[in-house]
Amino acid sequence: EAQVTQNPRYLITVTGKKLTVTCSQNMNHEYMSWYRQDPGLGLRQIYYSMNVEVTDKGDVPEGYKVSRKEKRNFPLILESPSPNQTSLYFCASSPEGLVTDTQYFGPGTRLTVL
Amino acid sequence: KQEVTQIPAALSVPEGENLVLNCSFTDSAIYNLQWFRQDPGKGLTSLLLIQSSQREQTSGRLNASLDKSSGRSTLYIAASQPGDSATYLCAAEYSWGKFQFGAGTQVVVTP
Repeated sequence: EAQVTQNPRYLITVTGKKLTVTCSQNMNHEYMSWYRQDPGLGLRQIYYSMNVEVTDKGDVPEGYKVSRKEKRNFPLILESPSPNQTSLYFCASSPEGLVTDTQYFGPGTRLTVL
Repeated sequence: KQEVTQIPAALSVPEGENLVLNCSFTDSAIYNLQWFRQDPGKGLTSLLLIQSSQREQTSGRLNASLDKSSGRSTLYIAASQPGDSATYLCAAEYSWGKFQFGAGTQVVVTP
């Protein structure tokens, strides 16, 4: 089944403890992206990647890191999480990131930072 | 900076009525405008994508229009059903690979 998977789905952690949220897609898509969703704010883009080894900042990259070492995986790294990073995170992918390509979303990761 | 607004934030209609959802964006230089549906506890599902050169797209009971000059897109859902209850989000691609989402309109269709 074609899909975007995220792990973990739920995570409760404490301030300052490094964590990684994994994202993987099995559709051979070039483009991948991370978003966070907060009540009343909609989705805000954190980072995106047009292809392997190429990443760019979205609107809210502070406090996050990403890497794209292989096409199928795009992990989101929080080196020192803070409570303001408590949010619902979504990973998405699209075939080539062209303006005609729609995005396919993962199920989301709900992160709580205490 | 591109801003995308969706009004109203919530909407309730009886089954069978047509739904009209609005999306406004501040910068008309967009690459495309996309509509998504989000069900509680789940990810987003793409509904329609309108390229900047297009005026509308249709899929079944769904029709989306795009007016770049006025900075507006409208999603029409004909003959609404309880299964249409969800949150609908629009997103503007304003730079290659960069997206700005609206906060969404939560729709409830009552039987």
